[in-house]
Amino acid sequence: AQKITQTQPGMFVQEKEAVTLDCTYDTSDQSYGLFWYKQPSSGEMIFLIYQGSYDEQNATEGRYSLNFQKARKSANLVISASQLGDSAMYFCAMREGRGDMRFGAGTRLTVKP
Amino acid sequence: IAGITQAPTSQILAAGRRMTLRCTQDMRHNAMYWYRQDLGLGLRLIHYSNTAGTTGKGEVPDGYSVSRANTDDFPLTLASAVPSQTSVYFCASSDSKGRRDQPQHFGDGTRLSIL
Repeated sequence: AQKITQTQPGMFVQEKEAVTLDCTYDTSDQSYGLFWYKQPSSGEMIFLIYQGSYDEQNATEGRYSLNFQKARKSANLVISASQLGDSAMYFCAMREGRGDMRFGAGTRLTVKP
Repeated sequence: IAGITQAPTSQILAAGRRMTLRCTQDMRHNAMYWYRQDLGLGLRLIHYSNTAGTTGKGEVPDGYSVSRANTDDFPLTLASAVPSQTSVYFCASSDSKGRRDQPQHFGDGTRLSIL
């Protein structure tokens, strides 16, 4: 069964606007971590933000924030004030306890000038 | 600059040939990983190593082998390449596989085409 689901294959956003990339996950563990990575067209994988299952506050890193809704098992990435350089593939990932990291299929974000 | 180096950057290989993808890290991380990335499937774990001298199987290990003779190097070998192994391969590392809060740091990837 798919552990991580990203339902938006592609998203468009106007420059300077905010955008939300969806991620839902499936786990019966109480202890897990959620990650977002960015993959620009050059191909490298860049770690953006982390949220622990026990963290009470939503994680934030600069223009990135994670909208963590534990009961709904969702961990949406919010990018504020989009920039052209934000155009990339974005991957949501989860690690349960000491288990392997599992990745979603990704969302391609295009920022329009 | 500290990080992960993968080689080659890209390779075209005839089916049936043996190929080793190289991965070296200089961050002294204990854990290392190999993933393949395929369109619509995200990244899938092939093999991992918790520490030098140990390896484990991931989600899609068939047709691949790894070794971890020291902390820095984690080569991935395709003993007899098949076209379904055409993919982009990423090596990654983290300080500890056991820590759920540890992000993984990735190399730039190897694009492999099997004909």
